[in-house]
Amino acid sequence: GAVVSQHPSWVICKSGTSVKIECRSLDFQATTMFWYRQFPKQSLMLMATSNEGSKATYEQGVEKDKFLINHASLTLSTLTVTSAHPEDSSFYICSPGTSNYGYTFGSGTRLTVV
Amino acid sequence: GQQVMQIPQYQHVQEGEDFTTYCNSSTTLSNIQWYKQRPGGHPVFLIQLVKSGEVKKQKRLTFQFGEAKKNSSLHITATQTTDVGTYFCAGLGPRGTNAGKSTFGDGTTLTVKP
Repeated sequence: GAVVSQHPSWVICKSGTSVKIECRSLDFQATTMFWYRQFPKQSLMLMATSNEGSKATYEQGVEKDKFLINHASLTLSTLTVTSAHPEDSSFYICSPGTSNYGYTFGSGTRLTVV
Repeated sequence: GQQVMQIPQYQHVQEGEDFTTYCNSSTTLSNIQWYKQRPGGHPVFLIQLVKSGEVKKQKRLTFQFGEAKKNSSLHITATQTTDVGTYFCAGLGPRGTNAGKSTFGDGTTLTVKP
């Protein structure tokens, strides 16, 4: 149980465009989804927490207008990187982050902005 | 805020040697989780420790949680090439703090020479 499907696995986009990343909980209902970013050879840094039916909460230093989070249903949370720039190139990972579901993670999205 | 420090950053061992990574939190933890991330992959949950002084084993892996619930270790006996990857600890603060968010250590990257 506790399977999280994350798409796309990798994406290359041009600078200035937007990219949407989806995380779907396949066999459970996720009221919360944590979104992380991981730069090469670094740890996972929490960006924001999406909450079903309400506004996401963002960590200090994360621009909420740049990283749009939507959690419209109990099975889908999305992260949209708007007006992407090369410095946004990173590995983005979602996780429902609860012991109820074994701390599972999505498979991650490797974003490259050129 | 809560900080989780992990050492060493890198560890190179000969196959068959033992390996240990250590985690220290600036605050008392509710629980600590351990993850393994292979190169290019996403973190995979290994185990969760909850009780003070808890010790858990998974085949060649031994996990310990300190008496004060502020430190933890992961020990691998007789490493194999399949053990390569980065091992992360993540600490969850006491109930009601930090909105259920775990703080990740910087990770220890293990390489094993055949």
